[in-house]
Amino acid sequence: GESVGLHLPTLSVQEGDNSIINCAYSNSASDYFIWYKQESGKGPQFIIDIRSNMDKRQGQRVTVLLNKTVKHLSLQIAATQPGDSAVYFCADDSGGGNKLTFGTGTQLKVEL
Amino acid sequence: DTEVTQTPKHLVMGMTNKKSLKCEQHMGHRAMYWYKQKAKKPPELMFVYSYEKLSINESVPSRFSPECPNSSLLNLHLHALQPEDSALYLCASSQDPTGALETQYFGPGTRLLVL
Repeated sequence: GESVGLHLPTLSVQEGDNSIINCAYSNSASDYFIWYKQESGKGPQFIIDIRSNMDKRQGQRVTVLLNKTVKHLSLQIAATQPGDSAVYFCADDSGGGNKLTFGTGTQLKVEL
Repeated sequence: DTEVTQTPKHLVMGMTNKKSLKCEQHMGHRAMYWYKQKAKKPPELMFVYSYEKLSINESVPSRFSPECPNSSLLNLHLHALQPEDSALYLCASSQDPTGALETQYFGPGTRLLVL
């Protein structure tokens, strides 16, 4: 079936480096994409979203890139900090209606 | 303010117990959701309420019974659960259930352990 998947289950980066978390999606009709950060023992926290009529959106230290040609989504975190250590989920609206379809998640580990 | 609150934070219950999880938001959102999340897995949708009416039930067993008393509150009643129901139960809300999908804001979750 349609799915949203992540390429890497774990990503380790040095503090201060930039992080790139990737996500592949399979439904070409997906219109809305969102990134969540989930720290241990907490609920998912909204980071940034993007609609299919855009290919880039920037927030504070984060940028989401959307490549509809290859159905690829990425989250870039600038100057990664220890507080960025978490699991990052991408999600899209491929399920229809009010359903979010989540990817499998990437664990980001920031090394000092 | 994008806060969704959930109580209790932790819950331990036996298989014969009846308990309820509570969720509250005061953002004026008209869509509310229950998700179940197992360790190291993404959240799985259970129920969606749209304008206080149940709009989606993802084939959830009847031992889980949702309730939406008003536009700010969402409950999940639990009865005769199984140990495999142990998980983090997340509540979320979004502004407008109609039209295109919008950002869903999650609460901190209730960590449930069924013995």
